[in-house]
Amino acid sequence: AQSVAQPEDQVNVAEGNPLTVKCTYSVSGNPYLFWYVQYPNRGLQFLLKYITGDNLVKGSYGFEAEFNKSQTSFHLKKPSALVSDSALYFCAVRQSGNTPLVFGKGTRLSVIA
Amino acid sequence: TAGITQAPTSQILAAGRSMTLRCTQDMRHNAMYWYRQDLGLGLRLIHYSNTAGTTGKGEVPDGYSVSRANTDDFPLTLASAVPSQTSVYFCASSVTPSGNQPQHFGDGTRLSIL
Repeated sequence: AQSVAQPEDQVNVAEGNPLTVKCTYSVSGNPYLFWYVQYPNRGLQFLLKYITGDNLVKGSYGFEAEFNKSQTSFHLKKPSALVSDSALYFCAVRQSGNTPLVFGKGTRLSVIA
Repeated sequence: TAGITQAPTSQILAAGRSMTLRCTQDMRHNAMYWYRQDLGLGLRLIHYSNTAGTTGKGEVPDGYSVSRANTDDFPLTLASAVPSQTSVYFCASSVTPSGNQPQHFGDGTRLSIL
């Protein structure tokens, strides 16, 4: 069975500092990995995905994520955080084919001015 | 651009009543999904449809039903609402059901069952 863990419920970072939101996964076979962001009273918005190829994936709003197969991780990163990055972030995984997308429980990011 | 439209945006419903949550997409996506979002539990899949005319059960299907008569619409019905169905419901779609396609989400329906 596939699963996703986001070990931190909350991440606080000062504006201008680098941020990391952690995600680890478990699937049999090769994973498809995704990051989504949710702002208050809105649906999830797609940020980036890893399917195959380069382990460093770049996405929207300056975010990037690094796929690490040996550590089964897909951490979300940004070199310089903005107050407007404050939101709820979800990591998600699915196996190849038409298997369901499985979401982590989410990490709330607060960027403090 | 509309993308996915969900209606209503919020609703208070008496236990035992029925309700249909509406979802319409204008992207001609083949696959559609219904999730519920609960605090501390993330998003859980209720039902899905890989293409018009087909549906399938997700992780938490009990108490819910869906239909997919055409490509654009994917309504979710609660036949007899119970308080544990109080949640935020999100409809989503993807171009195809295959694993590498991102999903696009509506802004949700906030449902309270009293």
